[in-house]
Amino acid sequence: SAVISQKPSRDICQRGTSLTIQCQVDSQVTMMFWYRQQPGQSLTLIATANQGSEATYESGFVIDKFPISRPNLTFSTLTVSNMSPEDSSIYLCSVEQGLNQPQHFGDGTRLSIL
Amino acid sequence: QKEVEQNSGPLSVPEGAIASLNCTYSDRVSQSFFWYRQYSGKSPELIMSIYSNGDKEDGRFTAQLNKASQYVSLLIRDSQPSDSATYLCAIPADRGSTLGRLYFGRGTQLTVWP
Repeated sequence: SAVISQKPSRDICQRGTSLTIQCQVDSQVTMMFWYRQQPGQSLTLIATANQGSEATYESGFVIDKFPISRPNLTFSTLTVSNMSPEDSSIYLCSVEQGLNQPQHFGDGTRLSIL
Repeated sequence: QKEVEQNSGPLSVPEGAIASLNCTYSDRVSQSFFWYRQYSGKSPELIMSIYSNGDKEDGRFTAQLNKASQYVSLLIRDSQPSDSATYLCAIPADRGSTLGRLYFGRGTQLTVWP
């Protein structure tokens, strides 16, 4: 299966700042997704990253807060904007490679906001 | 949003026992079901997928699907301390789809004691 690299693996940020998380895959994939996992909680889908067009956001998530890019079939970024302590979470990139293979996840980015 | 319900646990079993994890879902037309395992501090890892009614076995793991009753379960035979993790049930968000965006349950925390 594809190897998924997320950067940074963790960060501590000041409130009001923004952080961009990168997700790089070692092969072309059909679908890329971004999830959030708040402390002690399950995974919540933020958006589907669409190659060459605007991401598709889930209810409760907006582009101004979580802008997403996907310039090609192997790379995507998620920006967490104007961060507050409530944004402290693990952010996970996942991919589908096609060929009826289910999603699998990168190692995640652990984000803490002070 | 579709409902995916799991008992949060914790579920505690002795080594060598069978661990039984259950998941119910609200959308009767859901077509596929996934079990992910998440070790503490790690990202989720796909361990089983099931699409048809009945049982699917993979090593010590058996997934059981009953679409009429809208539940899917995961049995772990000969449980080992290394199976101690949170087990997440997931279904596709798009009606009638087998893949794509996923909705996750809250997860069941399993502890296997020696």
